[in-house]
Amino acid sequence: EPEVTQTPSHQVTQMGQEVILRCVPISNHLYFYWYRQILGQKVEFLVSFYNNEISEKSEIFDDQFSVERPDGSNFTLKIRSTKLEDSAMYFCASSSGPRETQYFGPGTRLLVL
Amino acid sequence: QKEVEQDPGPLSVPEGAIVSLNCTYSNSAFQYFMWYRQYSRKGPELLMYTYSSGNKEDGRFTAQVDKSSKYISLFIRDSQPSDSATYLCAMSAAKAAGNKLTFGGGTRVLVKP
Repeated sequence: EPEVTQTPSHQVTQMGQEVILRCVPISNHLYFYWYRQILGQKVEFLVSFYNNEISEKSEIFDDQFSVERPDGSNFTLKIRSTKLEDSAMYFCASSSGPRETQYFGPGTRLLVL
Repeated sequence: QKEVEQDPGPLSVPEGAIVSLNCTYSNSAFQYFMWYRQYSRKGPELLMYTYSSGNKEDGRFTAQVDKSSKYISLFIRDSQPSDSATYLCAMSAAKAAGNKLTFGGGTRVLVKP
C-alpha cells in the first residue's frame, strides 16, 4: 500500500540553525501539506501546496518557513533560523484531490536546543 | 470558543465494550469530517471520512455527523486492547485548492483486557 515517507525521523539542532525536513508524498497525489504537533498539543496546520505554489498558510507559517517541491517526488519544509519553540513533531500529508483524504507520514521529531 | 473541541480523556473501557467519542465545532463552514487514530509518537492514521450529515459504518467503526448541532461522533464496537490510542477528530471546509484540516485535541482511549 502506498504511503507517505519522511526523513529524518529525528533531528536535533541548535537554535538559529537551518533545518530541512523531507517528505515523499504518495506518487499520484497532487496536494501536499505540512502540519506540526507540539508535545501534548493538537495537530496544527502549517501550509498547503498545489501546482508548485502555496495555496494556504497559517499564522505559524511566517517568513522563517518555506516549502519546495524540488523534483517530481520530494516535498520539503525549510526552517531558516530555528527557535526553541519550533521543537515539535512535523507531519507531511498528501491527497489526490482538494477534498480527498489526507494521508499522513510518520513525522519528523525536531528538537531545537 | 475553540473551533473544534474534544474531551481529552483518558477514556478507559473493558475489552469488548463500545467506545463512544465525540467532538463539537463552531465553524458552520465545515463540511468534511474525519476521525484519525494516532499511536504514541506516530502519524495520524485515517479511520473514517464523511461528508455532511449522516452515518457511515466501516467494520467495527461507525461515524455520525449532526451538522445542525455541530456535533460528530465515533463509535467503536467490540473494542480490543489494540484500539488503545489517541483518537483525533478533524474537519475541513470545501475549498478548491487544498483543504486545511482543523483538528480536535484528541481523546486518549485505553481498552483494558
